[in-house]
Amino acid sequence: AQSVTQLGSHVSVSEGALVLLRCNYSSSVPPYLFWYVQYPNQGLQLLLKYTTGATLVKGINGFEAEFKKSETSFHLTKPSAHMSDAAEYFCAVMLDTGRRALTFGSGTRLQVQP
Amino acid sequence: DSGVTQTPKHLITATGQRVTLRCSPRSGDLSVYWYQQSLDQGLQFLIQYYNGEERAKGNILERFSAQQFPDLHSELNLSSLELGDSALYFCASSVMGQGSGNTIYFGEGSWLTVV
Repeated sequence: AQSVTQLGSHVSVSEGALVLLRCNYSSSVPPYLFWYVQYPNQGLQLLLKYTTGATLVKGINGFEAEFKKSETSFHLTKPSAHMSDAAEYFCAVMLDTGRRALTFGSGTRLQVQP
Repeated sequence: DSGVTQTPKHLITATGQRVTLRCSPRSGDLSVYWYQQSLDQGLQFLIQYYNGEERAKGNILERFSAQQFPDLHSELNLSSLELGDSALYFCASSVMGQGSGNTIYFGEGSWLTVV
């Protein structure tokens, strides 16, 4: 079985500051990892994903994440926050065996202060 | 726009009733997933279909059922509704049934309110 833990249900940063959203996973086999963003009253949009290969993954809107197997982490970062980044962010894991469906973390709501 | 279309966008119904949520996957996607998002449970996987056949089951209640039709659209049927079924129901689709890290695209969801 797999699980995802997102540390911090709410994160607040100032505009222009570094964004760091934490995600740790638990999995019996190497997983595929995803970050999705949900803007108010909208669906989930894929930001980035890690499957195999390079452990630093770049996504849309300037976000990136690094897969660290030794730490079982997949933290999401952005060097400089913008007001439009305010949203809820979900980390998710998928295994390539068994159910092959996304298991989501509980989400982190990002606030960006002017 | 993800290409996944869900109807209706909003639905208000009474306890004990039955509703059907509809989903059209992205063109070419054979796999359809249903997820439920609620404040207390978060995002929960309900069920997956691949090319018309059930592929995987998650936390789907017995009062709920789904199917995928030959044209690949899917319906989620919710019956004997309870207040606790009020949630945002997402449909998602992907190209393949197997994971291989293939991207799952989400629709904008159907808001269900049970009163």
